Amino acid sequence: KQEVTQIPAALSVPEGENLVLNCSFTDSAIYNLQWFRQDPGKGLTSLLLIQSSQREQTSGRLNASLDKSSGRSTLYIAASQPGDSATYLCAVRDSGAGSYQLTFGKGTKLSVIP
Amino acid sequence: SAVISQKPSRDICQRGTSLTIQCQVDSQVTMMFWYRQQPGQSLTLIATANQGSEATYESGFVIDKFPISRPNLTFSTLTVSNMSPEDSSIYLCSVEELSYTQYFGPGTRLTVL
Repeated sequence: KQEVTQIPAALSVPEGENLVLNCSFTDSAIYNLQWFRQDPGKGLTSLLLIQSSQREQTSGRLNASLDKSSGRSTLYIAASQPGDSATYLCAVRDSGAGSYQLTFGKGTKLSVIP
Repeated sequence: SAVISQKPSRDICQRGTSLTIQCQVDSQVTMMFWYRQQPGQSLTLIATANQGSEATYESGFVIDKFPISRPNLTFSTLTVSNMSPEDSSIYLCSVEELSYTQYFGPGTRLTVL
């Protein structure tokens, strides 16, 4: 059974700092990995999706990398801003036939201090 | 990307009652999903809602407790039946597009007293 772990559970940084969020998964047979952002009491916003054949994806100040063989992904946020404060979730989709389920980590709660 | 709306956004319900949550998408999609997020926990898939067929439930979730309808390619409902305080959660619907990216609705925050 796939398990996804995110470390740290919470992170507080001063505005302007670059930071890295970590995600690890136990079964490397994945179809893709997706990073989401969740604001308090709200739904999820998709940030980046990395297919299993890709090594990284970039969107603005965000860069996500994937090392499938070691079961790891990182989300790099450059020049953090207070508006980046949210919980960041990673989720993996297994590669089994007909598998649509995303397995989520518990998230990293990020606070960017002005 | 798909735009998803959910109704209600939140509700407070009494034990033993039922609540139906609606999910509307602005485009036709094949796959729709219902997730639950219990307090302090991450998301867990309840079921996959397929248009024209019965929903497929994950282990630990049953149709009698969480009946789902999918009458067309843009709409689905999830009912939480015979509620107890343990059902207090955020319920989210999501859709998957051809790019295999999943998009989520804003969620329904349910509190059961």
